[in-house]
Amino acid sequence: DTGVSQDPRHKITKRGQNVTFRCDPISEHNRLYWYRQTLGQGPEFLTYFQNEAQLEKSRLLSDRFSAERPKGSFSTLEIQRTEQGDSAMYLCASSLQQGATEAFFGQGTRLTVV
Amino acid sequence: DQQVKQNSPSLSVQEGRISILNCDYTNSMFDYFLWYKKYPAEGPTFLISISSIKDKNEDGRFTVFLNKSAKHLSLHIVPSQPGDSAVYFCAASASIHNQGGKLIFGQGTELSVKP
Repeated sequence: DTGVSQDPRHKITKRGQNVTFRCDPISEHNRLYWYRQTLGQGPEFLTYFQNEAQLEKSRLLSDRFSAERPKGSFSTLEIQRTEQGDSAMYLCASSLQQGATEAFFGQGTRLTVV
Repeated sequence: DQQVKQNSPSLSVQEGRISILNCDYTNSMFDYFLWYKKYPAEGPTFLISISSIKDKNEDGRFTVFLNKSAKHLSLHIVPSQPGDSAVYFCAASASIHNQGGKLIFGQGTELSVKP
């Protein structure tokens, strides 16, 4: 296992189109997180899963955003009707459930909406 | 509402000297603190962490200090090396309050280590 994997690394899309990103966490990690990072800012929490259950969603996650983790393994993040303000780096992270442990991040998906 | 703040956007130090990166937080429920390092076009890489029951944690050249009364933590890198040049993020979580381990990040400090 080489760590958290995200696909694609880069995505350019036209405004109004839908996009979907995939994240494969570290295999033994049952927590999976999505974050968004814009230039000059730290990552901002979007949502997280414990196994297949989506337990928390940030107010940042508008109705156009949806995330799934159907079998408790990989996760997808879909953005519908993209807007220019959605342009950002989308980061996925995973961690163990028990206690306070560090989260390990993937390399991110850079989204550009034109 | 910025719960985790890194007030210095950038820091420049000479190779071999100490780098001190600072972080302040406002939420008293935070009980676990982490530092991440990030290179351009890559995801953050975990560096070191500290639980609120401790005031110091050391790992090689990296030491994190926590001052709970001041709600302040700092990362010391000694000696600094050119390969340490990156953006450093402070992050906090409220794990014992069943917050699911989500991290609240500061804005980052860009460290430049000059040869």
